[in-house]
Amino acid sequence: QKEVEQDPGPLSVPEGAIVSLNCTYSNSAFQYFMWYRQYSRKGPELLMYTYSSGNKEDGRFTAQVDKSSKYISLFIRDSQPSDSATYLCAMSASGQNFVFGPGTRLSVLP
Amino acid sequence: NAGVTQTPKFQVLKTGQSMTLQCAQDMNHEYMSWYRQDPGMGLRLIHYSVGAGITDQGEVPNGYNVSRSTTEDFPLRLLSAAPSQTSVYFCASSLGVWGRGEKLFFGSGTQLSVL
Repeated sequence: QKEVEQDPGPLSVPEGAIVSLNCTYSNSAFQYFMWYRQYSRKGPELLMYTYSSGNKEDGRFTAQVDKSSKYISLFIRDSQPSDSATYLCAMSASGQNFVFGPGTRLSVLP
Repeated sequence: NAGVTQTPKFQVLKTGQSMTLQCAQDMNHEYMSWYRQDPGMGLRLIHYSVGAGITDQGEVPNGYNVSRSTTEDFPLRLLSAAPSQTSVYFCASSLGVWGRGEKLFFGSGTQLSVL
């Protein structure tokens, strides 16, 4: 079993839809959780960062962490074609050496 | 401000050849790392460094060598290339303030094919 699981997709939604991206993990020591966005042929860039459990909102993006279920989510409201990318979850116990999920490829159709 | 710069962008090697992937950052980051990205596998950590003169192994270090003689540079050496090393390689750096879940800054990647 992989340490971090993520639905690989691809996921296709119409413009304006609410998108839910999810990761599950097995290591209960993880306490730093991040979401990265990766456009085709580019390096990942940090989208959201959450420490421990709870929610965090930034514009159209909301990150949720449920440590009791070992489950994290990223919600995108009013999705735009520019949101089309691969989304990677990443997590760490110490704050360094993050373990990444395999990524979910999202397409937002105009 | 260039951020993290990787060279080359593309490389084709024959089995058994050696080469060095270059990585440089101009943000005075203490922490630097190398990842490889394969379909369905996500990013896997190869080697990392928490400062000049200090390196350590990650999840998949076999067949790779690193050194950190300066804060700015962190080259990755393939000693004897194998087809299993065909992948996209990313260098990443962060400030290195431990315990705060530092943001990783990634380079644009090197696509390597080993024939």
